Amino acid sequence: DAMVIQNPRYQVTQFGKPVTLSCSQTLNHNVMYWYQQKSSQAPKLLFHYYDKDFNNEADTPDNFQSRRPNTSFCFLDIRSPGLGDAAMYLCATSREGGQNPYEQYFGPGTRLTVT
Amino acid sequence: GEDVEQSLFLSVREGDSSVINCTYTDSSSTYLYWYKQEPGAGLQLLTYIFSNMDMKQDQRLTVLLNKKDKHLSLRIADTQTGDSAIYFCAEIGAGNMLTFGGGTRLMVKP
Repeated sequence: DAMVIQNPRYQVTQFGKPVTLSCSQTLNHNVMYWYQQKSSQAPKLLFHYYDKDFNNEADTPDNFQSRRPNTSFCFLDIRSPGLGDAAMYLCATSREGGQNPYEQYFGPGTRLTVT
Repeated sequence: GEDVEQSLFLSVREGDSSVINCTYTDSSSTYLYWYKQEPGAGLQLLTYIFSNMDMKQDQRLTVLLNKKDKHLSLRIADTQTGDSAIYFCAEIGAGNMLTFGGGTRLMVKP
């Protein structure tokens, strides 16, 4: 089945230790998104890619970076995680064009714990 | 700016209907969505409605859109315990990005 896969599902890192979260998709969608979701809150968009074009949200901290080496993969790098970065990180994809071009397909998320 | 608001919590008994409400501010929204999130999981798209529609029905789900009042609702008929989750409404706003509401936690009592 076509899907959005996130690895790992649970990640524990130490304060200040760089961490990378990964997302892959078999949907061949050209748009990929990273969201941060803290407990009992709405997902907050960090950035997105239209193909290889990177789009950063204005209030995304510099501590967060992203890479998209090809259509299928996208990575979220947190350079120096703080305690406030503990959250669920959600990856999503969408395809331009089509009947509903803005429909986003979400992965299961990676829950990040910072100790 | 865009703003999407939902009530925080809804509790119903199994077999009853649930109605989850949402208000939004962006009158130019083209699509509005309902997502479901179970504990520890990602968001699952339940249904969506195009802004030129008033109602959309999909099995147990009915979406009502009042564009004049910028009000969206999701009705779940014959609510089951498996429907317990957080429900997010979302709109497509500026820049064609999703803006989510804060989520409504639905608790279904047996």
